[in-house]
Amino acid sequence: TQLLEQSPQFLSIQEGENLTVYCNSSSVFSSLQWYRQEPGEGPVLLVTVVTGGEVKKLKRLTFQFGDARKDSSLHITAAQPGDTGLYLCAGTRVNTGNQFYFGTGTSLTVIP
Amino acid sequence: KAGVTQTPRYLIKTRGQQVTLSCSPISGHRSVSWYQQTPGQGLQFLFEYFSETQRNKGNFPGRFSGRQFSNSRSEMNVSTLELGDSALYLCASSFSRDTYNEQFFGPGTRLTVL
Repeated sequence: TQLLEQSPQFLSIQEGENLTVYCNSSSVFSSLQWYRQEPGEGPVLLVTVVTGGEVKKLKRLTFQFGDARKDSSLHITAAQPGDTGLYLCAGTRVNTGNQFYFGTGTSLTVIP
Repeated sequence: KAGVTQTPRYLIKTRGQQVTLSCSPISGHRSVSWYQQTPGQGLQFLFEYFSETQRNKGNFPGRFSGRQFSNSRSEMNVSTLELGDSALYLCASSFSRDTYNEQFFGPGTRLTVL
């Protein structure tokens, strides 16, 4: 059973379009991370959010942690082919140390 | 600073065999976690080691085991391999076990069980 559900599971868009990926749970998380993974490689950390309501921007990517720390979103503006990959959210819970719970993943394809 | 390294990158085994995978964390990192990634189940937590002690364990059978050495390097062993063990095995290292800690992944070992 996945604690974190991501939507959509698959997304195919044209270059220049905007998109949002959602990461939802019924559980509260101490922190939440977003990763991008390319085929045959390990996930690469994009951002960590730790405060409810926190918003972080990384160039064209905007990350938000829900006020109740149960959900998060990733918004990409003007998507580029280089954004193609599997996007994963992962959260940590209080008193579980380094046990990260991963979301189901969103596979993004940006068509030139 | 060198990243997390995993060896081997690819491995082919047959059912019933056993396998050992190796992970070298980023220098200075003392926590090593292992994950199994499959298309159907996504990324599933196997276990975490910190200072040579297993600190957390996921919901996997006892055929999956691991250890960590004094230099923080870690190995994962899978005995009596099954077809369903075919997966990408990922290792991640962290500096500490703080709740807001960040983990960094290696490239993974692709295990195929025939």
